[in-house]
Amino acid sequence: AQSVTQLDSQVPVFEEAPVELRCNYSSSVSVYLFWYVQYPNQGLQLLLKYLSGSTLVKGINGFEAEFNKSQTSFHLRKPSVHISDTAEYFCAVSNYGGSQGNLIFGKGTKLSVKP
Amino acid sequence: KAGVTQTPRYLIKTRGQQVTLSCSPISGHRSVSWYQQTPGQGLQFLFEYFSETQRNKGNFPGRFSGRQFSNSRSEMNVSTLELGDSALYLCASSFSPDQRNTIYFGEGSWLTVV
Repeated sequence: AQSVTQLDSQVPVFEEAPVELRCNYSSSVSVYLFWYVQYPNQGLQLLLKYLSGSTLVKGINGFEAEFNKSQTSFHLRKPSVHISDTAEYFCAVSNYGGSQGNLIFGKGTKLSVKP
Repeated sequence: KAGVTQTPRYLIKTRGQQVTLSCSPISGHRSVSWYQQTPGQGLQFLFEYFSETQRNKGNFPGRFSGRQFSNSRSEMNVSTLELGDSALYLCASSFSPDQRNTIYFGEGSWLTVV
């Protein structure tokens, strides 16, 4: 069985500061990895995904994430955050090459950017 | 092009009633999945449909059911509603169940059970 742990439920940060949202996963098989963002009263929007290849993945809105297989981590980073980045962020995994298309999500990290 | 459309956006039901939620996927997408989001349990997978067939089901009681029509539109039904069914129900669509395809989410249907 797979699981995803987001180590911080809330992350407060000042505008223009760097931020890292941490994600660890557990799986007995290879996985695909995803980060989604959810703004208030909205659905989920894909920020970036790791399928294979380069372990550093760049996404939308200036976010990037690094896949570390040995540490089973997929941390999300942004060098300088904006007020508009205030949202909840979800890390997710799915089975590599499996027949099941569902995502397994972490509990989410609420990013609060203060002026 | 239009995104994933879910209706209704908000609804209030009484315990014991049943509810049907609708999802229209992005044009050309044939895979639809449903998720339940609650503050306590987070995002949990309900079911996945592709070409009118349920391919995968999460760990939910039989009161939760779904179907997919030939035009890829999907509905989910919850019977005998309980207070704990209050949640945001999210529908997602993708071109096919291949996990490499980007999954697009709708804005969700907020269900309150009183």
